[in-house]
Parts: sequence; C-alpha cells; structure tokens
Amino acid sequence: IAGITQAPTSQILAAGRRMTLRCTQDMRHNAMYWYRQDLGLGLRLIHYSNTAGTTGKGEVPDGYSVSRANTDDFPLTLASAVPSQTSVYFCASSPGTGGQPQHFGDGTRLSIL
Amino acid sequence: GQNIDQPTEMTATEGAIVQINCTYQTSGFNGLFWYQQHAGEAPTFLSYNVLDGLEEKGRFSSFLSRSKGYSYLLLKELQMKDSASYLCAVEDSNYQLIWGAGTKLIIKP
Repeated sequence: IAGITQAPTSQILAAGRRMTLRCTQDMRHNAMYWYRQDLGLGLRLIHYSNTAGTTGKGEVPDGYSVSRANTDDFPLTLASAVPSQTSVYFCASSPGTGGQPQHFGDGTRLSIL
Repeated sequence: GQNIDQPTEMTATEGAIVQINCTYQTSGFNGLFWYQQHAGEAPTFLSYNVLDGLEEKGRFSSFLSRSKGYSYLLLKELQMKDSASYLCAVEDSNYQLIWGAGTKLIIKP
C-alpha cells in the first residue's frame, strides 16, 4: 500500500543522545516535510525539502537537521536531544507545492528524559 | 505575525450540523486546507479552498472569504466517527502551511 512510513513509532531517549527519525515515501512525491505537534499548539514546521537534493528551514529548525539524498527518504536528526524536544513528530509529503495536499505518516512519539 | 484562530473545542449532537470557524492573518495566501485528525492518529486531508465560495464534498463543505480572512468547515448529519480534531491551515507566500491549533469536536448521542 502506497504511503509514508515513519520509524520508530515511539522512543524514550536520554538527554544528550543523538537520534535519527526515519521517513520513507513510495508515492514519488517531490516535497517532504517534518513537523512537531505539541498539545495546544498547531503543527510546526521543522524542515522541508521541495525536491531531492534541497532542504530548507521551517519555523522551528534549531536542534534539528535533515538530508534529502533521494526522492523517497527524508531523515530527521536530533544531534543532542533536550527535554524540550519531547513531542510527536510527523513526516509528510506532497506531489509539489502550491495547493497540493500533504499526506502524513503515522508519527513518532519521542520522549526525552 | 502569522496567526490562525479556531475554537479550542465544540460539542454537537449525532445527526445534527456543526460549523467550525477559522480566521487567519498570514503573509500571503495561496489557499486554505482543512484536515481531520483522530486522537493518536495522523492528520488526513479533507478540503482545499483557494477561491471565495463554498466547496461541497459529501457531508462536508468548506467555505472561504479571502477579503475577510475567514473560512468555515460545515459537517452535516454528524456521526460518532466524526469525533476528532479539525485543523485549519493556510498556505503562505512561501508555499508553507501555517497551522491552527485545531478544534476538538465532541459528538454526543
């Protein structure tokens, strides 16, 4: 079934550790996104990629990095996790930009202790 | 600054009609999206408006007034499965989505 796969589903991590959240899509979408969702707040964009080989910073990029080596994969790395990065992380993709609906993965629930 | 406002929570009765409002102030406007998100799940796309007026899709309709910075999502013949959060998002001049915090809709029998 076509879609977006995120891994892991959930993770508890000690502060200071490095962590990579994985995201893979098989819809050949050009654009991909990473969001975090916190209670009482809207989804906030961390990083995005409009096409393979390019990335950009969103609203809350500090402490996170991404890469887009190919069309399908868009990993998100926390170099040194801090408790304020405890959140639910969603990866999304869209065929392109400009009126294109985004399709979401099931999310990764991350707790930093 | 950019701002999307939605009511935090609404309650409605099964079989009834409910209207969820969204007002926005953003840097540029390239369209407005509505998504549904059940608890613990991913958001799923419901509708997209870029021109003023009403877009109807089955039991769900979405309205946009660009001059007023206003949209609403209308849900008819409510079912228990419609209990979810409804997220309003505006595509800004950089083609990035700015999201509201969502409206939690509670359906009572």
